[in-house]
Amino acid sequence: GESVGLHLPTLSVQEGDNSIINCAYSNSASDYFIWYKQESGKGPQFIIDIRSNMDKRQGQRVTVLLNKTVKHLSLQIAATQPGDSAVYFCAEGSEGGYNKLIFGAGTRLAVHP
Amino acid sequence: EPEVTQTPSHQVTQMGQEVILRCVPISNHLYFYWYRQILGQKVEFLVSFYNNEISEKSEIFDDQFSVERPDGSNFTLKIRSTKLEDSAMYFCASSVRGSGGEKLFFGSGTQLSVL
Repeated sequence: GESVGLHLPTLSVQEGDNSIINCAYSNSASDYFIWYKQESGKGPQFIIDIRSNMDKRQGQRVTVLLNKTVKHLSLQIAATQPGDSAVYFCAEGSEGGYNKLIFGAGTRLAVHP
Repeated sequence: EPEVTQTPSHQVTQMGQEVILRCVPISNHLYFYWYRQILGQKVEFLVSFYNNEISEKSEIFDDQFSVERPDGSNFTLKIRSTKLEDSAMYFCASSVRGSGGEKLFFGSGTQLSVL
């Protein structure tokens, strides 16, 4: 069936560097995309979302980019900090339906001092 | 910030036993959800619930599963006869509205281990 997936299972970066986490989705009907952060022993924590009528959205130190042509989503974290170490999930949904999210497999971000 | 709380944090049970996982959604939220995550796998949607009814469920949510809002604050997931493959982290979530594009708030999860 259609699903959301991730290109990289792990990503190691140096503290202070920028991080880019990628995600591919296959359901062209999805029009709402979210990035979640999951720290050990905790539930997914909302980071940032974007709707399909946008290409880019910025938050505090984070930017989400959406390329609908190639069905690609990315999360950019500026000046990565040790506290950013976690597993990051992309998820897709549909604004027209109930809040059922399809999650990707997750990318582990490891930030080294 | 308001939180979704889940109890217990860990639950160990024998195969075939019934378990009830408990959640207290954020107080002004009206839509409630259960997701699960088998170790090393994706977070998977189980069910959404509104106005004392299931609004959507996945193929995982078979007759062994049920949900209930027994009072004004709790939201429960019951598994009637647990199987080994039910072992997973179960996350409760809630949102103000149920339309797609609403921000979901997740609890910290209940780790269910079926022996």
